[in-house]
Amino acid sequence: EAGVTQFPSHSVIEKGQTVTLRCDPISGHDNLYWYRRVMGKEIKFLLHFVKESKQDESGMPNNRFLAERTGGTYSTLKVQPAELEDSGVYFCASSQENWGNEQYFGPGTRLTVT
Amino acid sequence: AQSVTQLGSHVSVSEGALVLLRCNYSSSVPPYLFWYVQYPNQGLQLLLKYTTGATLVKGINGFEAEFKKSETSFHLTKPSAHMSDAAEYFCAVSKSDTGRRALTFGSGTRLQVQP
Repeated sequence: EAGVTQFPSHSVIEKGQTVTLRCDPISGHDNLYWYRRVMGKEIKFLLHFVKESKQDESGMPNNRFLAERTGGTYSTLKVQPAELEDSGVYFCASSQENWGNEQYFGPGTRLTVT
Repeated sequence: AQSVTQLGSHVSVSEGALVLLRCNYSSSVPPYLFWYVQYPNQGLQLLLKYTTGATLVKGINGFEAEFKKSETSFHLTKPSAHMSDAAEYFCAVSKSDTGRRALTFGSGTRLQVQP
């Protein structure tokens, strides 16, 4: 069974540019999550999809971040326009609809904004 | 609000020595508790989790953790460290009673194993 995959693995962009990160969850997992780890800080929750619906987006930092999950399969996270403080590692995770909330994480996308 | 505190951002042990990584949490409702490990250039891998039932939880690679409600702790232990255990370890908590599934992480502990 394939795990959670993320693309790209690394992205370097200039301030003001746009970047789109992609996450493919484990097949059959209705729950999809985005997290971010800024350098030296803890991993922080961004948002949670159940199928194509946003269940919880309380962690989204501002309106420069837009997440979508069309068709309830893969998800994209767009940052537009990117700022220096957006640099960090963006993790995606997925889980089945069960009690216990075991989330499976992808390898992350390292975003560097210069 | 939930929070997690991991004491010690860096821990160094000798190969064969006991590994003890500390985690304390705060939660207004019964928590689900997790330990994840991140090896270099890889994603987070679940080591073990506590949901309900037995408070001593065994995970992969010989790790275990004990949920102590009175101490609000979930420390991770391994009797004998191996070189391959060198990695960063994260404690996390989530709520058990609502649909809010977001994990709240501690700041991580980097484990170094000396030969």
